Formats: sequence, C-alpha cells, structure tokens
Amino acid sequence: QITLKESGPMLVKPTQTLTLTCTFSGFSLTTLGVAVGWIRQPPGKALEWLGLIYWDDDKRYSPSLRTRLTITKGTSENQVVFTMTNVDPMDTATYYCAHRGRSGNTYHHFFDFWGQGTLVTVSS
Amino acid sequence: DIVMTQSPDSLAVSLGERATINCKSSQSVLYNSNNKNYLAWYQQKPGQPPKLLIYWASTRESGVPDRFSGSGSGTDFTLTIDSLQADDVAVYYCQQYSTTPFTFGPGTKVHIK
Repeated sequence: QITLKESGPMLVKPTQTLTLTCTFSGFSLTTLGVAVGWIRQPPGKALEWLGLIYWDDDKRYSPSLRTRLTITKGTSENQVVFTMTNVDPMDTATYYCAHRGRSGNTYHHFFDFWGQGTLVTVSS
Repeated sequence: DIVMTQSPDSLAVSLGERATINCKSSQSVLYNSNNKNYLAWYQQKPGQPPKLLIYWASTRESGVPDRFSGSGSGTDFTLTIDSLQADDVAVYYCQQYSTTPFTFGPGTKVHIK
C-alpha cells in the first residue's frame, strides 16, 4: 500500500527558506518511471502544481516558481525534500506530495496517491 | 502554460439527479501518437487531499463508483456524476498532464440542492 506524509514547519517568516520532507512507503524512488510531485493549495483556493522529481533524479519545476524551488531525494531512500526560498505570505498554503500515477505498466503525470498535506503559514 | 478552465464554479444538484462539470484546456491535450487525452479528474472533500477519480479523460481509477464518468477529447471535457449521493459533495478539479507545468483547473463545487 502506498502512503506519503509531509512534514515540516507550520510557520515560516517572510524571506526565510521553507523546507518540507515527504516520507513515503509502498514504492521505491529508484524504480523506472516513478516520481514524486509537489502540489500546493492556498486556503480556499485551487491546486497549483509545483514540481516533481523522477527516479533518475531528473526534475521538473513550475516555470513561475523555478528560481525559488528545489526538489531533491532525501538522505533516506524513502524521502523527498522540497525547498522554497524567499517565502512570502502569498506562499501560505497546504503543501502536498503525491505519487506519479500508473496506468498499466507505465507511469504518467497524474497523481494516484497523495499525502494528507501540511499547512504552512508565512507570517512575521 | 496550458490554462484549464471549469464551469460552472458551483453546482447544486438534488440527490439522485445528475451533475455535469465541464473542463476546457487552452490547448489540445490529445496525443495523436497514442490517441489518448492527458486529462484527469480529482475529487476533494473538505479537509482531505484530492482523490484521483479518472485519467485518460475517461478511465475510472480502481474503486471509483461507476456513477462517475468522464468524456470529451482535445480541449473539451466533461465529468458526469449520475445519481448524486450525499457523499459526492466535494470540489472537483480537472488536471492536464500533457505538458509541464501540469496545470489544474480552478475547481467546481458540488453541493446538494
């Protein structure tokens, strides 16, 4: 069974760096085609795709946030780390990590398993 | 970026009636090479993460009730909920996974009339 869970600070000050960890189980990020994505959702608003990291360490980022985002594999094989620099109150949101969806024997860029999300508030 | 729009913003449906949600992409998400539409639908209930309902525009995810169906091709798509149940009250999002960034629609809120 695939599970994911986000962890990190609930409150971050403006201009600081936000670091979140996604700890997952039920799959390996070394398996061909597997990827973990990050999506956020400001309170009461829609989902925003942020980026993802693939099994081969390739990454894709949202162009609008590319300069501020970094996604890496964690020191543990079952972790992915998300970093956002120079945060602003507009970055206040629930941040989700999610597993790249599978159709038959291939993976595609929908998300079939999601973490519960972690609410991050940016405020001084 | 491919911009996703949804209509209506909000929808009130009586129990047992049909709900229809529309999603439009600013560019086609149909790949001619495999004739697949790179379009997914999610359901999000309050306080919960999104749940995948449909991918390839019309393929139901395992375990999703068959009252949920997806249709459409190219740039215009529809999610239909037949015989709405109280448990279907949620916000529904479409997502294109054709081209990065893999953008989501703004959501459609479904509630009971």
